[in-house]
Amino acid sequence: SQKIEQNSEALNIQEGKTATLTCNYTNYSPAYLQWYRQDPGRGPVFLLLIRENEKEKRKERLKVTFDTTLKQSLFHITASQPADSATYLCAPHIGGGADGLTFGKGTHLIIQP
Amino acid sequence: EAQVTQNPRYLITVTGKKLTVTCSQNMNHEYMSWYRQDPGLGLRQIYYSMNVEVTDKGDVPEGYKVSRKEKRNFPLILESPSPNQTSLYFCASSYGTAQETQYFGPGTRLLVL
Repeated sequence: SQKIEQNSEALNIQEGKTATLTCNYTNYSPAYLQWYRQDPGRGPVFLLLIRENEKEKRKERLKVTFDTTLKQSLFHITASQPADSATYLCAPHIGGGADGLTFGKGTHLIIQP
Repeated sequence: EAQVTQNPRYLITVTGKKLTVTCSQNMNHEYMSWYRQDPGLGLRQIYYSMNVEVTDKGDVPEGYKVSRKEKRNFPLILESPSPNQTSLYFCASSYGTAQETQYFGPGTRLLVL
């Protein structure tokens, strides 16, 4: 069965450093992958989408990479700030059909001042 | 402002008392869905709708009903709530297919006693 793995433990990063979050998936080959941010008690908010033919995608301080050979996506936040503290969810595209996105369980990121 | 709204935001009820959680989007999206989020289990899809009068089950549909009589509205109905339906519920919508960027509502926190 398809499986999505994100670091279940919280990631503590010092302010100003680069935070790197990992999303690994098995048993399928997504055509693209999305990253979302979720604050406590709030709905996820879309951040970035990267397609299988794109090695890297950037948006301001955010960068996402997509390695289809390793079946892995990395999500980077450079010059991290306490306001970046949140849970980050990855959602690899599973395939055609009407089923909803399958989300990883998320990594809780804490940026310490 | 483009948004997905849900009501109520918080609800405490008792076992067996029927309730409805409303969801509305103002973006003319075709696709709408409901998720529940539980600690350790992540986001799981309950039901989805490809368009008006077209609905189908997601991963955890038991105990829930939905309807899609209008494009903008997608209410979630719990005919006879039970304590295991205590959860945080999110409505989401997207332009076309299920795999496109999802726009989430603010969430409804439900407690069933």
